[in-house]
Amino acid sequence: KAGVTQTPRYLIKTRGQQVTLSCSPISGHRSVSWYQQTPGQGLQFLFEYFSETQRNKGNFPGRFSGRQFSNSRSEMNVSTLELGDSALYLCASSLAGTSGRGGDTQYFGPGTRLTVL
Amino acid sequence: GENVEQHPSTLSVQEGDSAVIKCTYSDSASNYFPWYKQELGKRPQLIIDIRSNVGEKKDQRIAVTLNKTAKHFSLHITETQPEDSAVYFCAASKGGSYIPTFGRGTSLIVHP
Repeated sequence: KAGVTQTPRYLIKTRGQQVTLSCSPISGHRSVSWYQQTPGQGLQFLFEYFSETQRNKGNFPGRFSGRQFSNSRSEMNVSTLELGDSALYLCASSLAGTSGRGGDTQYFGPGTRLTVL
Repeated sequence: GENVEQHPSTLSVQEGDSAVIKCTYSDSASNYFPWYKQELGKRPQLIIDIRSNVGEKKDQRIAVTLNKTAKHFSLHITETQPEDSAVYFCAASKGGSYIPTFGRGTSLIVHP
């Protein structure tokens, strides 16, 4: 199976602009999660989508939003960009409990590196 | 919610030594504990995982141990090699939640 893919891989934006990132999960995976990774901050959870619905949400401002399409592909949008939004944005897909075992493995995409100037 | 503490934040070893990274979790209902390795500029990749019905799991030079009573689990890497240098993340999750809680990561440096 093809792995998780993300586009674009790199983005440079200026403060105040908005940006949309895309994630295509592994075929058959219905859950897509988004994380922000900055140096020294680890993986900070943004939100998770399952069957086109936001199921879990992290502690980020409303400028960060997302959506999921019927084919499980997901997009993340950041409006009114700030310098502090510069980070690596990772998405991860999983079966999301469909195995019945609970606690499913997340598989990460390569990330989109966003630089805000 | 779940809280995962990971130590140490940085670990420096000589090639051939062993490395141990420890994580503690707070939610006794957590039942799945994956470990990810992230090399510089690359995506986190699953290297080993363990479920709460076993106490230890090995895969070549890598092993993970789980102590449910104490609510901690550890990653053991034996005979370290320079290519083991990376950031390692632990995580904990449970059925019904689906979203793992990650530790803050350990930067492992293996000196040749």
